[in-house]
Amino acid sequence: DGGITQSPKYLFRKEGQNVTLSCEQNLNHDAMYWYRQDPGQGLRLIYYSQIVNDFQKGDIAEGYSVSREKKESFPLTVTSAQKNPTAFYLCASSIGQGLGNTGELFFGEGSRLTVL
Amino acid sequence: AQKITQTQPGMFVQEKEAVTLDCTYDTSDPSYGLFWYKQPSSGEMIFLIYQGSYDQQNATEGRYSLNFQKARKSANLVISASQLGDSAMYFCAMREAGNTPLVFGKGTRLSVIA
Repeated sequence: DGGITQSPKYLFRKEGQNVTLSCEQNLNHDAMYWYRQDPGQGLRLIYYSQIVNDFQKGDIAEGYSVSREKKESFPLTVTSAQKNPTAFYLCASSIGQGLGNTGELFFGEGSRLTVL
Repeated sequence: AQKITQTQPGMFVQEKEAVTLDCTYDTSDPSYGLFWYKQPSSGEMIFLIYQGSYDQQNATEGRYSLNFQKARKSANLVISASQLGDSAMYFCAMREAGNTPLVFGKGTRLSVIA
């Protein structure tokens, strides 16, 4: 079945450690996104990539890094520089706007990161 | 300034009744798209409905309809005949022209009461 797979679903990290969240899609979508969700804050954009080997910072990129070496994969690294990393992280992809396409996002099931 | 505003942090509705979730947006771009997503307690984001800025008619998808008032810059979601399974967070989002990322509002938590 086509879709987006995020792993791990739950992750615990000690302060000062880097951690990488995996996001894989088999929808053949060009664009991929990482959002962070905190209670009462909605979804905030961390990074996005519209094509392989290219990505752009979103609104809250500080303390995060990404790579896009393959179309299917867009991993997010939460570095020790991120001051408050405990959150729910959502990965998404889209085919992009075009004839007949709304450009809607397809989401993974999310990864919940807790810093101890 | 916020681009998407959802003024109702929480809403209650009786089962089988209709409910309207408010969303206002801010853009100077003449071409944009508006989306509604549902997020159950499991955390997944489920796409519900889409409205393009040039669409002449309000979008409908089953029990969901979008009350699009362009001059007021509002895109309210109407859920008819509410069901217990409709209890969830609901997010309004906008994409401006040029395939830019979606910008989300802070969401409304809907609780359906039996």
